[in-house]
Amino acid sequence: DAMVIQNPRYQVTQFGKPVTLSCSQTLNHNVMYWYQQKSSQAPKLLFHYYDKDFNNEADTPDNFQSRRPNTSFCFLDIRSPGLGDAAMYLCATSIRGGMETQYFGPGTRLLVL
Amino acid sequence: RKEVEQDPGPFNVPEGATVAFNCTYSNSASQSFFWYRQDCRKEPKLLMSVYSSGNEDGRFTAQLNRASQYISLLIRDSKLSDSATYLCVVGASGGSYIPTFGRGTSLIVHP
Repeated sequence: DAMVIQNPRYQVTQFGKPVTLSCSQTLNHNVMYWYQQKSSQAPKLLFHYYDKDFNNEADTPDNFQSRRPNTSFCFLDIRSPGLGDAAMYLCATSIRGGMETQYFGPGTRLLVL
Repeated sequence: RKEVEQDPGPFNVPEGATVAFNCTYSNSASQSFFWYRQDCRKEPKLLMSVYSSGNEDGRFTAQLNRASQYISLLIRDSKLSDSATYLCVVGASGGSYIPTFGRGTSLIVHP
């Protein structure tokens, strides 16, 4: 089945140790999003790509970077994770953009020790 | 004023009850509206899109009131399995690719 896949599902890292989260999609959607979600809060958009055009939210910390090497894959790099970065990281796609349904991956739960 | 506002709840209702949630939005140019369901520690999943004429899917009814800038979700005959957080999402306008999420309304259905 076509879907959005995220790996790993759970990631434990040490304070300050770089970590990379990955997302892949078989939907061939143009837009990919990375969200951070903390308990009882709405998903917070970090970045999105329309094709290869990268868009960074103004309040996304520099500690967070992203790469989209091709249509199918997108990566979230956290260069120096802090305790406050512990959260669920959700990848989502949509065909063309924000007026349409988003399809979410199962998320990666990040724990920072 | 937040762009998309929801009462976080929780709404605590017995099985079989009817419950309704509202969501207000601030951008009058918004064109698309959605309700997503999110179970604990899971990803959001589309419950239903909200059309201007209102739409129904089984026990769920969604309505849009453009004049007052709110959308609603009505759940009839609540089931235990309806317990979840319901996220209101307002689609982008003006060529933006960014939808706006509400913080969600928590529903707990008890026996």
